[in-house]
Amino acid sequence: AQSVTQLGSHVSVSEGALVLLRCNYSSSVPPYLFWYVQYPNQGLQLLLKYTTGATLVKGINGFEAEFKKSETSFHLTKPSAHMSDAAEYFCAVSVRPGGSYIPTFGRGTSLIVHP
Amino acid sequence: DGGITQSPKYLFRKEGQNVTLSCEQNLNHDAMYWYRQDPGQGLRLIYYSQIVNDFQKGDIAEGYSVSREKKESFPLTVTSAQKNPTAFYLCASSIDSRPNEQYFGPGTRLTVT
Repeated sequence: AQSVTQLGSHVSVSEGALVLLRCNYSSSVPPYLFWYVQYPNQGLQLLLKYTTGATLVKGINGFEAEFKKSETSFHLTKPSAHMSDAAEYFCAVSVRPGGSYIPTFGRGTSLIVHP
Repeated sequence: DGGITQSPKYLFRKEGQNVTLSCEQNLNHDAMYWYRQDPGQGLRLIYYSQIVNDFQKGDIAEGYSVSREKKESFPLTVTSAQKNPTAFYLCASSIDSRPNEQYFGPGTRLTVT
C-alpha cells in the first residue's frame, strides 16, 4: 500500500526566506508524485509533478521539488517566499499495485509567511 | 473555459436529511473523484468513477452514494446514515485512470445541524 507523510503541519518563514516543505512516501513500486496548493476555501491546484525522467522538477510560482529514491522523499522548495505563497500544500503519491492509479494525499502543510 | 464546477458553495441541512452535492466537468475527462476534507486530515477519498455507469468505493464510502449516468456529471449524496457529515467536499477529475494530475472544483462546504 502507498502512503505519504508530510513532516510538519505548519511551517513558518519570513518573506524572502527559503521555503522547504517535506514529503516522504512509501511505495513498493516506482511512484508518481505530485504537489498541490490550496488557498482558503478553494480547491487544489497542481504545482508540479514527477512521473519519470529528470528527478528535479520545476513547477509554477517558482517552486521545485526533487525526487530522491534512496530517501523516498519529494521535498518542495522555493528560494524566496512571497506573502502570496501562504496556503496549504499537499503532497500526493500515485502507484498501481495491481489496480488503478488512485492517488493518496498527505495531511497537508500550512505555510505561514511573515512580513 | 474548461473546468469543474461544484454547487452550491455553502450548504446547510438539518440532521436526518439527505443532501446531494453537484459536480460537473467540461474537460472531457473519463475519471472523477469525490474527497472529503477535514482540518488536519488531508483529503480522504469517498468514491471514484473511471467510466460512465461505473464507480468504486473509496476509503470512507459509508453513508455516501454516487451516480455516473453522464460523463460530465458525478453527483454525491450525503445520506442520513453518515454520522458526521459536516465537512468540506471536493470533486476532482483526471483525463483517465493513468497517473495524471487531478483537476479540482472549488468545493462545497456542508454544515449539518
